[in-house]
Amino acid sequence: KQEVTQIPAALSVPEGENLVLNCSFTDSAIYNLQWFRQDPGKGLTSLLLIQSSQREQTSGRLNASLDKSSGRSTLYIAASQPGDSATYLCAVRTSGTYKYIFGTGTRLKVLA
Amino acid sequence: DAGVTQSPTHLIKTRGQQVTLRCSPKSGHDTVSWYQQALGQGPQFIFQYYEEEERQRGNFPDRFSGHQFPNYSSELNVNALLLGDSALYLCASSLGGQAVNEKLFFGSGTQLSVL
Repeated sequence: KQEVTQIPAALSVPEGENLVLNCSFTDSAIYNLQWFRQDPGKGLTSLLLIQSSQREQTSGRLNASLDKSSGRSTLYIAASQPGDSATYLCAVRTSGTYKYIFGTGTRLKVLA
Repeated sequence: DAGVTQSPTHLIKTRGQQVTLRCSPKSGHDTVSWYQQALGQGPQFIFQYYEEEERQRGNFPDRFSGHQFPNYSSELNVNALLLGDSALYLCASSLGGQAVNEKLFFGSGTQLSVL
């Protein structure tokens, strides 16, 4: 049974810092992993999708890596801004299924 | 280009009642998935519809049912509401039956409160 864990649960940093969010999963037989952003009371926005055959994906100040063998992914945010404040969720789609299993998220606050 | 739209945005019901939530997928998308998100938790998969059929179901009781229409829009029905059904209900759409590496696009959700 796939389980997804995110550490830390919450993070508060001053503006301009580079930061790393962590995601771990228990079953390495995956199609892909997605990182999402969620603002309070809102839906999710997909930030990056990493296919199982890929090691990393980049979009602007965001970089996500995937190490399937160790069951880990990291989301790197460069030069953080107050507008980055949100909850970041990772989700894994296990091979042979259509559903995504989500972690509980990391709540990020970037202080001006 | 309209994204995923859900209605209503908020809903208050009492225990034992029934509720219907609606979702219109992103233009061009043919696959709809429903997720339940309790406060402080990650979304949990309820089920997915493709070609008007329920293709996969998560660990939810039969009180949760759905439907997909020929125009790809979808409804989520919950019968005999319990206090524990209070949550944000999210609809996600994707293309091509959610082919292996298709991104999910989420709506803003319906906040259901059961009193």
